[in-house]
Amino acid sequence: GAVVSQHPSRVICKSGTSVKIECRSLDFQATTMFWYRQFPKQSLMLMATSNEGSKATYEQGVEKDKFLINHASLTLSTLTVTSAHPEDSSFYICSAPPRGDYGYTFGSGTRLTVV
Amino acid sequence: LAKTTQPISMDSYEGQEVNITCSHNNIATNDYITWYQQFPSQGPRFIIQGYKTKVTNEVASLFIPADRKSSTLSLPRVSLSDTAVYYCLVGAVTLGYGGSQGNLIFGKGTKLSVKP
Repeated sequence: GAVVSQHPSRVICKSGTSVKIECRSLDFQATTMFWYRQFPKQSLMLMATSNEGSKATYEQGVEKDKFLINHASLTLSTLTVTSAHPEDSSFYICSAPPRGDYGYTFGSGTRLTVV
Repeated sequence: LAKTTQPISMDSYEGQEVNITCSHNNIATNDYITWYQQFPSQGPRFIIQGYKTKVTNEVASLFIPADRKSSTLSLPRVSLSDTAVYYCLVGAVTLGYGGSQGNLIFGKGTKLSVKP
């Protein structure tokens, strides 16, 4: 089945620095990728949709200058958290659209801790 | 996108059948119903998807009444490893290789706790 590889799985960074999270589709091409954020004991919140070859679409309330999304190729989408602050600490998850009858495929997630 | 309502939590014991119901009163004609499972610190995992009536796979069944305003995920003979959060999602999905229209909006999910 479809596999989405996300890394790093865990990262700790200092306030003010930037962190890049990668999401790769390993055995298929994805023209679209979705990025979610999940705070402890809460549900996933869609942040943005990355589109290969064009600008990402951001959900209301998500700062596009802070969360830079790049869909560089048909197999790679990246999310960069710029000038990270402790309130950006969260679990970030990417997903690729469905292929066949098996729904969306999610990455394993990235636990970001900003200290 | 149709909003969903699920119980916040459910408790069960090993070996029992668990049924989790989701309400989606304003489901649209082209919406599918999909269920995902999520363990702590992991991405969600697809369980089952359906449009109407009943769908069954190797891990679960999905029951959808004729009006499609609700759906029930049925997990037969649960084990401790089924302890997780289960999300019901409803949305327009174009299935196909390389891309899809629409995206997934997650509700609060149901935290299932299976006890020995």
